[in-house]
Amino acid sequence: DQQVKQNSPSLSVQEGRISILNCDYTNSMFDYFLWYKKYPAEGPTFLISISSIKDKNEDGRFTVFLNKSAKHLSLHIVPSQPGDSAVYFCAASAMGYGGSQGNLIFGKGTKLSVKP
Amino acid sequence: KAGVTQTPRYLIKTRGQQVTLSCSPISGHRSVSWYQQTPGQGLQFLFEYFSETQRNKGNFPGRFSGRQFSNSRSEMNVSTLELGDSALYLCASSTSGPSTDTQYFGPGTRLTVL
Repeated sequence: DQQVKQNSPSLSVQEGRISILNCDYTNSMFDYFLWYKKYPAEGPTFLISISSIKDKNEDGRFTVFLNKSAKHLSLHIVPSQPGDSAVYFCAASAMGYGGSQGNLIFGKGTKLSVKP
Repeated sequence: KAGVTQTPRYLIKTRGQQVTLSCSPISGHRSVSWYQQTPGQGLQFLFEYFSETQRNKGNFPGRFSGRQFSNSRSEMNVSTLELGDSALYLCASSTSGPSTDTQYFGPGTRLTVL
C-alpha cells in the first residue's frame, strides 16, 4: 500500500511560468514532509520541508503548501527555470519528538521538464 | 566539506551471488540510511544505522543487511542476489536529532543483476 503518492509521473512547463507538483498521503500520523530534487546520475538533494503545524513554507522561488484535512501537499516553483528540470520526490515521516531521521517514505517522483 | 561517497558506483553481478556496497557519510554525521530506487517502486527505505546500531528497518527480506563502523562508515550486503535486486542503491547521512531536513544523499551505486 503506497502511503505517499505522486500521481503525475511527468509535468511539462514553459520557462517563467509556475510549476505545481502534487503529492497525496494516506497516513494521518505523518507530521513532517519534504521535497527532494534529483538530477540523473546524482543522489536526491533536499529542497524544502514543512512541519504539520504549518500550512505553508516558502524559500525563494519554492513554496510548499500543506492541506492536512485533504492529506495533500504541493510544491510551487515560480518562476520556473530550465535548470529546474529534474525528478521531484515528495517524502513524509512520522517523526514525533526524538524520532529517527532515516525512516522517510517517498513517493515515486514527478519528472519536471521546463521548456525554454 | 566532502559529501557522501558511495563505492562502487556501478556493479554487475549474477543471480545467486552476494554483494557489498559501501557508504562514507559526511564527516560528523552519525546516522546513515540506505534506500533502494527502482523505476516501478521509487525510493524505498531499507534501514538506518546510528552509532553502529540499526535503529530502523524497512520491509525488505533478510537477504538485505547492513552494518555501521565506529567511524560511521556503513556497508550494505545483499546475499543470494535476484534479478529484482537490480536497482540504484542510495545512502544518506545526517546528524542526530528529530529534524530530517539535513539528510544528504550520495550519488548511489547502480547494481545490475544478470
